[in-house]
Amino acid sequence: DSGVTQTPKHLITATGQRVTLRCSPRSGDLSVYWYQQSLDQGLQFLIQYYNGEERAKGNILERFSAQQFPDLHSELNLSSLELGDSALYFCASSVPPGELFFGEGSRLTVL
Amino acid sequence: GESVGLHLPTLSVQEGDNSIINCAYSNSASDYFIWYKQESGKGPQFIIDIRSNMDKRQGQRVTVLLNKTVKHLSLQIAATQPGDSAVYFCAETLTGTASKLTFGTGTRLQVTL
Repeated sequence: DSGVTQTPKHLITATGQRVTLRCSPRSGDLSVYWYQQSLDQGLQFLIQYYNGEERAKGNILERFSAQQFPDLHSELNLSSLELGDSALYFCASSVPPGELFFGEGSRLTVL
Repeated sequence: GESVGLHLPTLSVQEGDNSIINCAYSNSASDYFIWYKQESGKGPQFIIDIRSNMDKRQGQRVTVLLNKTVKHLSLQIAATQPGDSAVYFCAETLTGTASKLTFGTGTRLQVTL
């Protein structure tokens, strides 16, 4: 158990819909990272938050957004969903410059 | 469990044999490298790391070798066990920039009895 909690574990929705994925980092970790893992892309970095502020952006689509709340949990919002958004979405946390600890992921299926 | 990377290269080894998983990294400026293990249905789990001022680092049953000249990493697992079956990813970054951690495509290790 990494200490990073992600919900929901599985989510099935339709194209055009919007979903929110939630992440609770390890106790004491200030940084939260979101990654997307699909079959043909491997693990792709989406965005990082540090203590409530956006710190770095990767290959995150404009239809996607995230935020980190004062209690340090984070949410990833995915809107106008497309079939190609079906993937595993991982959250990771760390106390920089330490290693990343990953949650068990949220499996999104867009039909 | 989840299927990760159905199109990944696969390495099959017999239980008790040694495994060697290779990885070519892309950025010659990277100075920090990590190997992650991802079991079916779980998130990536840290195995071992190495900094660019080293060419070898050993852990418990695992050894990472770094060849900066050819930008190559390898992970050696001694006495491979069924529990080692997973997808293994190498990742590279610059020290202090975990957000720029770039993952390789992964290798699936299958341990046969």
